[in-house]
Amino acid sequence: ETGVTQSPTHLIKTRGQQVTLRCSSQSGHNTVSWYQQALGQGPQFIFQYYREEENGRGNFPPRFSGLQFPNYSSELNVNALELDDSALYLCASSPDYLSYNEQFFGPGTRLTVL
Amino acid sequence: AQKVTQAQTEISVVEKEDVTLDCVYETRDTTYYLFWYKQPPSGELVFLIRRNSFDEQNEISGRYSWNFQKSTSSFNFTITASQVVDSAVYFCALSEAERYTGTASKLTFGTGTRLQVTL
Repeated sequence: ETGVTQSPTHLIKTRGQQVTLRCSSQSGHNTVSWYQQALGQGPQFIFQYYREEENGRGNFPPRFSGLQFPNYSSELNVNALELDDSALYLCASSPDYLSYNEQFFGPGTRLTVL
Repeated sequence: AQKVTQAQTEISVVEKEDVTLDCVYETRDTTYYLFWYKQPPSGELVFLIRRNSFDEQNEISGRYSWNFQKSTSSFNFTITASQVVDSAVYFCALSEAERYTGTASKLTFGTGTRLQVTL
């Protein structure tokens, strides 16, 4: 059983640029949630995708957007990057059957905005 | 709104000492889940335990134990006989109980406690 994978591992961008981060969910999981973890902080919920549609969103501006594909992999897109967007971005996959909210996290993508 | 507080920013212990990580939560939900995750330097969040709000029974798993007290809204985590490999950041998290749709509920995390275990 393949776990959650994310790419790239590290990324450096400059202010104003756009970035796309990718996540492949664990086999059999059709729900993907994205979290942002700033340095020294706990992860914060960005949004969740279920069956290719957004299914809940945290307190993040519209320049944070996402996609989910038929194979349940997902992308997080951030436009007009700001310095404060520098963080570790984590995705978590979960099944849609009752699983007591068990979510499996990937290793994360560390984004640095200069 | 949900909130999780981990007042201990950093704890340093010598190997074989016992250590307790504190977690206090706030929620208006009557049913909810509490979690502990471990984050080693590699960055991946490793699930340690989940407890639902109906189950206040404390649990022991090897060197780990958890003390859930609904009356004080606390869910503390103890490592007995700590080891260097326990060095990591530990997060307490809270979520509403699973939706009837079956999709996962968002996790609300605390700010984490960095545990440093030295020889």
